[in-house]
Amino acid sequence: QSALTQPASVSGSPGQSITISCTGTSSDVGGYDYVSWYQQYPGKAPKLLIYDVTNRPSGVSSRFSGSKSGNTASLTISGLQAEDEADYYCSSYASSSALYVFGTGTRVTVL
Amino acid sequence: EVQLVETGGGLIQPGGSLRLSCAASGLTVSSNFMTWVRQAPGKGLEWVSVLYNTGSTYYADSVKGRFTISRDNSKNTLFLQMSSLRDEDSAVYYCARALGVGGNYFDYWGQGSLVTVSS
Repeated sequence: QSALTQPASVSGSPGQSITISCTGTSSDVGGYDYVSWYQQYPGKAPKLLIYDVTNRPSGVSSRFSGSKSGNTASLTISGLQAEDEADYYCSSYASSSALYVFGTGTRVTVL
Repeated sequence: EVQLVETGGGLIQPGGSLRLSCAASGLTVSSNFMTWVRQAPGKGLEWVSVLYNTGSTYYADSVKGRFTISRDNSKNTLFLQMSSLRDEDSAVYYCARALGVGGNYFDYWGQGSLVTVSS
């Protein structure tokens, strides 16, 4: 099971919106509405941002939103802030021997 | 408050064995889907294994036959027994609770335990 494909880096200025893509196949992203997104600061554990494509856990800022079209899921960060500078990973349930697959990760830089 | 605390990491020679523990508080390990995820230095996240509340277990192909996930209900602790370790198993290992259909997302994570496989 190959990792889901994400851009290595995305950048934006404070206040802007950015979108991170996560491309898989019909056996993972495209086949299930079970895509989640995680934020990770260096040396820290990942934090859940989005689950089941569009849902935000309690306490996560509404500036983070998720969507999906076909085999590609997306995470949008609106009103970009300095504290959003981190690594972001998508994940999906998969109909393969690897039940769960993560994305390659995206480094977000706030200019 | 939920806390997951991993211990047991360290430096181990190739071919050796190591057991990681994940002590839980604020949630009952046996009632939840619990998973291990690892992250090699400077690399991305990789799912390793899951233990369902039913006792069913699943593994990534990269560790199948070498790693065993288990739990001790009396200690409310999750384990990962790792054997025949390889250089490429070097990583920070996180335990996490898995929620949703099939446990498809991970809401609580431990701080991680570093495993270094090197001669």
